[in-house]
Amino acid sequence: GDSVTQTEGLVTLTEGLPVMLNCTYQSTYSPFLFWYVQHLNEAPKLLLKSFTDNKRPEHQGFHATLHKSSSSFHLQKSSAQLSDSALYYCALSWGTGKLTFGDGTVLTVKP
Amino acid sequence: NSKVIQTPRYLVKGQGQKAKMRCIPEKGHPVVFWYQQNKNNEFKFLINFQNQEVLQQIDMTEKRFSAECPSNSPCSLEIQSSEAGDSALYLCASSLEQLNTEVFFGKGTRLTVV
Repeated sequence: GDSVTQTEGLVTLTEGLPVMLNCTYQSTYSPFLFWYVQHLNEAPKLLLKSFTDNKRPEHQGFHATLHKSSSSFHLQKSSAQLSDSALYYCALSWGTGKLTFGDGTVLTVKP
Repeated sequence: NSKVIQTPRYLVKGQGQKAKMRCIPEKGHPVVFWYQQNKNNEFKFLINFQNQEVLQQIDMTEKRFSAECPSNSPCSLEIQSSEAGDSALYLCASSLEQLNTEVFFGKGTRLTVV
């Protein structure tokens, strides 16, 4: 079956430092990959999604590159902001559109 | 702000009781999903619909839940006989298409089974 692995459960870093959250996946098919962000007591919201033409998606300073050879879709940002503190989920979908989520990474950015 | 409306926000039920929650998807979105987010923040897909038809559901949903998305009425998810392990945040989401499109989530119904 499909699975998504996020190796870090908790990431804590200082404002201004680069962010990298890992995401690898397993799927029988060629899935679409997504990053969702969930702030405390809020609904999850789409941050990024993979493109079929391999363009690199960017949003709010975050970007991610789909590497099919290594089945990865790591999330990166050059300089973390305090407002980036949240729960980040990597997810994949194909077929009926059902999302398979990783276990999430809690990102805490400190001053 | 989320345009997927879920009610109630909080629900407390005793074991064995029915627990029903509702969802109004974003206007014009024919695809609706239900997910369960447990206390460890892990997501579990429950069921999805396109218009009124079920696209996919897991075994647990088929056996213990009742879900529907009637036309011109809110979608609903009902646990027939609540168990302690059902305590979780139930998230409804909707989208324009099945694949490679943004899925919009509601704020969820937090169910506590006592």
